[in-house]
Amino acid sequence: GENVEQHPSTLSVQEGDSAVIKCTYSDSASNYFPWYKQELGKRPQLIIDIRSNVGEKKDQRIAVTLNKTAKHFSLHITETQPEDSAVYFCAATLDSGGGADGLTFGKGTHLIIQP
Amino acid sequence: GAVVSQHPSWVICKSGTSVKIECRSLDFQATTMFWYRQFPKQSLMLMATSNEGSKATYEQGVEKDKFLINHASLTLSTLTVTSAHPEDSSFYICSARDSSRPQETQYFGPGTRLLVL
Repeated sequence: GENVEQHPSTLSVQEGDSAVIKCTYSDSASNYFPWYKQELGKRPQLIIDIRSNVGEKKDQRIAVTLNKTAKHFSLHITETQPEDSAVYFCAATLDSGGGADGLTFGKGTHLIIQP
Repeated sequence: GAVVSQHPSWVICKSGTSVKIECRSLDFQATTMFWYRQFPKQSLMLMATSNEGSKATYEQGVEKDKFLINHASLTLSTLTVTSAHPEDSSFYICSARDSSRPQETQYFGPGTRLLVL
């Protein structure tokens, strides 16, 4: 089955700086890679996702890059703000056309934005 | 749109009892729903895939006789934790896929916190 590794487990950055979280996956068949933000006790919120037919996707301060050959993908957050503090999870799965299968998550990154 | 609810939001039960958790898609039909479990300060782990009208598919290591899943309608899946024990205490989260828009992501419910005493 799929295995997703995520680094770092904790990331502390100054407000206004950029944050980068990296993930690798094991199953070359995976083709859908979402990123989630989870606040304590809440449901995961999708912040951005990417499919294997593109190498990069951007939405305002958030971007994701995908390297299929190396089987890794990264989340980039620019101009970080205090409200970006949360736990971030990457995930991978296969979407065979009828919708994505169940997600395999990374272990999470606790992002701390220092004022 | 795309709202998923769970009930109850939290439950406390005695060891040995069974607990049922409901997952509902409120404004769309979901042929497929997923059940995840999240222990404190850990990641989400996929437990099973629930398909309307058929048997659920369980991930390796998840006991199907302990975690009973029923997906009897296009908007409701239930997870029953049978003979619950303290080690089953966890945050259980479901997600649902919109059958009419499979290219969109799955939508998560708010989760159910289970504490077994």
